[in-house]
Amino acid sequence: AQSVTQLGSHVSVSEGALVLLRCNYSSSVPPYLFWYVQYPNQGLQLLLKYTSAATLVKGINGFEAEFKKSETSFHLTKPSAHMSDAAEYFCAVAYSGNTGKLIFGQGTTLQVKP
Amino acid sequence: GAVVSQHPSRVICKSGTSVKIECRSLDFQATTMFWYRQFPKQSLMLMATSNEGSKATYEQGVEKDKFLINHASLTLSTLTVTSAHPEDSSFYICSARDPGAGHQPQHFGDGTRLSIL
Repeated sequence: AQSVTQLGSHVSVSEGALVLLRCNYSSSVPPYLFWYVQYPNQGLQLLLKYTSAATLVKGINGFEAEFKKSETSFHLTKPSAHMSDAAEYFCAVAYSGNTGKLIFGQGTTLQVKP
Repeated sequence: GAVVSQHPSRVICKSGTSVKIECRSLDFQATTMFWYRQFPKQSLMLMATSNEGSKATYEQGVEKDKFLINHASLTLSTLTVTSAHPEDSSFYICSARDPGAGHQPQHFGDGTRLSIL
């Protein structure tokens, strides 16, 4: 079965520290991978996407993610956390040939301490 | 960029009321829209895929008669929660894809907070 796993439901970092949010997927075919951010009582905003081009993907707000096929991973990173980065982050996967249906990970709450 | 508008943003109503939520794609035509439900501190659960001009495809465990979906035009899908009860209280989010933009990600509305008293 296709699935997405986000390791760590809650991540806490200090302002200025490295942010690392983990995402692993299960797939027998190349997927399309996405990271979304959700602020309280809002919908989801796309941070970045992997669609089989470059394996290192740069997104908005200084975030980037690297697709590693051998590890079936798509971890999200940011060199220096800002207070405004505190939010819920979701990794999602879609597969070619379907209607664009997304499978979401469980989500990771990022807390940024001053 | 592409924008999806969802309305209303918040609804508070009495048990037994039917509630309609609208999802509009503002600058592209969406043949497919998606409806999600999100409980507090949890991920998004896909409820159904809304297909323009045809019946929606519901995920396993989602009651079709409870959650009515209509996708009558290329820019509008509606979700009606019929005879809502307190257990239907949740955050409902819609999304849409621009089919003319390759395999692009879904664009999400801002969600509707439904509270049934």
